[in-house]
Amino acid sequence: DVKVTQSSRYLVKRTGEKVFLECVQDMDHENMFWYRQDPGLGLRLIYFSYDVKMKEKGDIPEGYSVSREKKERFSLILESASTNQTSMYLCASSPRRLAGGLEQYFGPGTRLTVT
Amino acid sequence: KNQVEQSPQSLIILEGKNCTLQCNYTVSPFSNLRWYKQDTGRGPVSLTIMTFSENTKSNGRYTATLDADTKQSSLHITASQLSDSASYICVVSRYSNDYKLSFGAGTTVTVRA
Repeated sequence: DVKVTQSSRYLVKRTGEKVFLECVQDMDHENMFWYRQDPGLGLRLIYFSYDVKMKEKGDIPEGYSVSREKKERFSLILESASTNQTSMYLCASSPRRLAGGLEQYFGPGTRLTVT
Repeated sequence: KNQVEQSPQSLIILEGKNCTLQCNYTVSPFSNLRWYKQDTGRGPVSLTIMTFSENTKSNGRYTATLDADTKQSSLHITASQLSDSASYICVVSRYSNDYKLSFGAGTTVTVRA
C-alpha cells in the first residue's frame, strides 16, 4: 500500500514564526503536492514538485515555499506564519505517468493553527 | 468561481437508508472524474474514477454515475452504514497528464443509528 506520512497531525504556532511541514512517501513517486483545505472550499494547490529540486507554483503559493532535496520528502515552509494560514494542510503523491489524470495518494493532514 | 459544485453541502441519513450526492462541473476539456471519501481527521481516499466514455462505476455499496454531456455526476450510497459518515469530494481532471485537479468543496454525510 502507498503510504504518505506527515510529520505532525496538529500544530500551533505564533504569528511571525517560521513553520516547517514535512511529508514523506514510500512508493518512489515522482510527483508530490501540497494542498490546503478550508471549510466550504475545495482543496487548493499550493505547490507541486515533479522531481528532486523541481517545483511549480500552484494556485495559492503566496506566503509559502517548498523544498524537495530527496525524492521521498517534500517540505512546505511558511516563512512568517500569519493567522490567515490557519488551515488543514494535505500532502499527496502520485507516479509521474499518472500525474493528474489518475489517483493522488494523500497523507492524513496537518491541522495548523496560527495564533 | 469554483468549477466543481457539489450538493447538498451536508446531509443526515438513518443507518440502512440510501442517499445520492450530486456533482456539477464546468471544467473543460474533460478527462476524468473521481470521487474521494475523506473521514474526519484523515486524508481523502479514492472511491471511483470515470473517464469520458464511462457512465457508471461501482465500488461495493458506492455507485457513481457520469453524464459527460450535461457535466453532471452523482454518487449513490446504498444501505448506509455508520462508517459511511464522512466528507465526499468530487474531483475533475482536464487532461490525463494534468497535475492540476479541480476539487469540489465536498458533501458531509452523517449516518445516524
